[in-house]
Amino acid sequence: SYDLTQPSSVSVSPGQTARITCSGDVLAKKYARWLQQKPGQAPVLIIYKDTERPSGIPERFSGSSSGTSVTLTISGAQVEDEADYYCYSAADNIGVFGGGTKLTVL
Amino acid sequence: EVQLVESGGASVMPGGSLRLSCVTSGFAFGNTWMGWVRQAPGKGLQWVGRIKGRADGGTVDYAEPVRGRVTISRDDSKNTLYLQMDSLKTEDSGLYYCTTGSYDHWGQGTLVAVSA
Repeated sequence: SYDLTQPSSVSVSPGQTARITCSGDVLAKKYARWLQQKPGQAPVLIIYKDTERPSGIPERFSGSSSGTSVTLTISGAQVEDEADYYCYSAADNIGVFGGGTKLTVL
Repeated sequence: EVQLVESGGASVMPGGSLRLSCVTSGFAFGNTWMGWVRQAPGKGLQWVGRIKGRADGGTVDYAEPVRGRVTISRDDSKNTLYLQMDSLKTEDSGLYYCTTGSYDHWGQGTLVAVSA
């Protein structure tokens, strides 16, 4: 088995840049996805293949990768971006999610 | 419009069984990899397992905590995904989501509660 590690929480003021990292050995070989989950809602895919953004996802969301870590960047975070964020990857046909990061924007 | 609608969640005693269903529409289900993800109350997302599409052989992989106790299957004629869960444990409690294999579409989840 393998693990993906995220900080449990990140806080920023509105308009600032939020960065959430996810680290794990598998990320050196496999792509990551990022999902956003707001309270009481199903998760939403916001980044795939480390850096790609699905249609309909605002441009302020971006992803990057370096070695065994990936980073979700929210440029100019807005109050509505307050949510839990999860990284995901898979290796050897087994998927794994990071523990999740609660982003507070206030 | 893509839709995934889960059902079958219930309250059961430890050791019991449940069969969850996920009825889909709006996309080519037969060739789409599908999966199940669960979330215990107040906790993070946990990968349960995934079934490949017909063109890729329909093979299934499971997370270690559920391997041997759950079975993922699909009925392509009904555009439906299933999760058969046996020998349920209290730690299996949570909201079970059906999702496409690329995680770009999710259902709203069905709740499983395992307690004595």
